[in-house]
Amino acid sequence: QQQVKQSPQSLIVQKGGISIINCAYENTAFDYFPWYQQFPGKGPALLIAIRPDVSEKKEGRFTISFNKSAKQFSLHIMDSQPGDSATYFCAASVQGGSEKLVFGKGTKLTVNP
Amino acid sequence: KAGVTQTPRYLIKTRGQQVTLSCSPISGHRSVSWYQQTPGQGLQFLFEYFSETQRNKGNFPGRFSGRQFSNSRSEMNVSTLELGDSALYLCASSLSGVRTGELFFGEGSRLTVL
Repeated sequence: QQQVKQSPQSLIVQKGGISIINCAYENTAFDYFPWYQQFPGKGPALLIAIRPDVSEKKEGRFTISFNKSAKQFSLHIMDSQPGDSATYFCAASVQGGSEKLVFGKGTKLTVNP
Repeated sequence: KAGVTQTPRYLIKTRGQQVTLSCSPISGHRSVSWYQQTPGQGLQFLFEYFSETQRNKGNFPGRFSGRQFSNSRSEMNVSTLELGDSALYLCASSLSGVRTGELFFGEGSRLTVL
């Protein structure tokens, strides 16, 4: 059972454009929402994360927007660069005893020069 | 500070065999978690070990097992390999566990089952 739905599967953006990746969840017990970036041949690396008591978090060109009532969160990459081309995963961690990290299926981002 | 090291990086096995993968976490990290990554299913949680105890387990059959040693190094074992076990197996280390989401991943062990 997939608990975090991520879209789109793939995304092509021109250099300088805005990349937007969306995730939706069902389990209201989730209380931590990280985003991971993975380059080919490498393991995922934590990019940015947010907790549900915050509606937005910005780090450089990367911004997470969080909508608790809609159970959705999204990653915005401003001024997208070819070096941002990678696969992005959203994730959510479960509150309480069953500690696990549930990932979305990933979005392959290509930024054309 | 050395990162997470996984060995071997690549391996080829045949159906029915078993395989053991190793993961050395970042020094000081007590949590090691394992994930299976495939193009169709993405990243799926296998299990987490913290201070030598399995803290949680994902929805994988009993053929998948793991353990953690006193130095926090971890191994995972897959017995009676099936073609569908072909995947990239990633381990991640963390100071306090998967719940915080602050995981540091290795580069993975790519398993091909023929």
